[in-house]
Amino acid sequence: DSGVTQTPKHLITATGQRVTLRCSPRSGDLSVYWYQQSLDQGLQFLIQYYNGEERAKGNILERFSAQQFPDLHSELNLSSLELGDSALYFCASTQTPGLAGGETQYFGPGTRLLVL
Amino acid sequence: GENVEQHPSTLSVQEGDSAVIKCTYSDSASNYFPWYKQELGKGPQLIIDIRSNVGEKKDQRIAVTLNKTAKHFSLHITETQPEDSAVYFCAGAGGTSYGKLTFGQGTILTVHP
Repeated sequence: DSGVTQTPKHLITATGQRVTLRCSPRSGDLSVYWYQQSLDQGLQFLIQYYNGEERAKGNILERFSAQQFPDLHSELNLSSLELGDSALYFCASTQTPGLAGGETQYFGPGTRLLVL
Repeated sequence: GENVEQHPSTLSVQEGDSAVIKCTYSDSASNYFPWYKQELGKGPQLIIDIRSNVGEKKDQRIAVTLNKTAKHFSLHITETQPEDSAVYFCAGAGGTSYGKLTFGQGTILTVHP
């Protein structure tokens, strides 16, 4: 158990809909990272938040957005869903915004999204 | 940005044999290279990592080597066991990428009893 929690575990929805994925980082961690894992694209970085502020952005679609709340949990919002958005979505957390000082990223169990 | 290539995509070994997975990276400023193991239905689990000030790191049956000049790093698993069967991912981070991990494409390792 990495200490990172994600809900829900599974999500089935229809094209055009909007969903929200939730992530709680490990106790004491201030930074949250979101990744998407699909068969054709592999594991790809989407976005990072640190202490409530957006820190870095990857190949995140405009239809996707995220935020980190004062209690440090983060939500990833996916809207106007398409079939190709079906994937596993993982979050990871660290204490600092980078990976210096011996830090590493611990991943949650993921949310499996299926868009029909 | 960083690009990480991983080979082979599949690897099949007999129990007790060694397994080697290789990765190359493109950004010479990258300085952190973790390896993750992912079992079916689970999130990636860190198994070992190495930073650019070290050439080799070992943890029981698992070792990682890093060649900064050639920009490649490798995972070595000795005395493989069936429970080592999983998908293994290498990644790179640091430098211009800072905290984000750039992953290789993954290697499906199968250990036959």
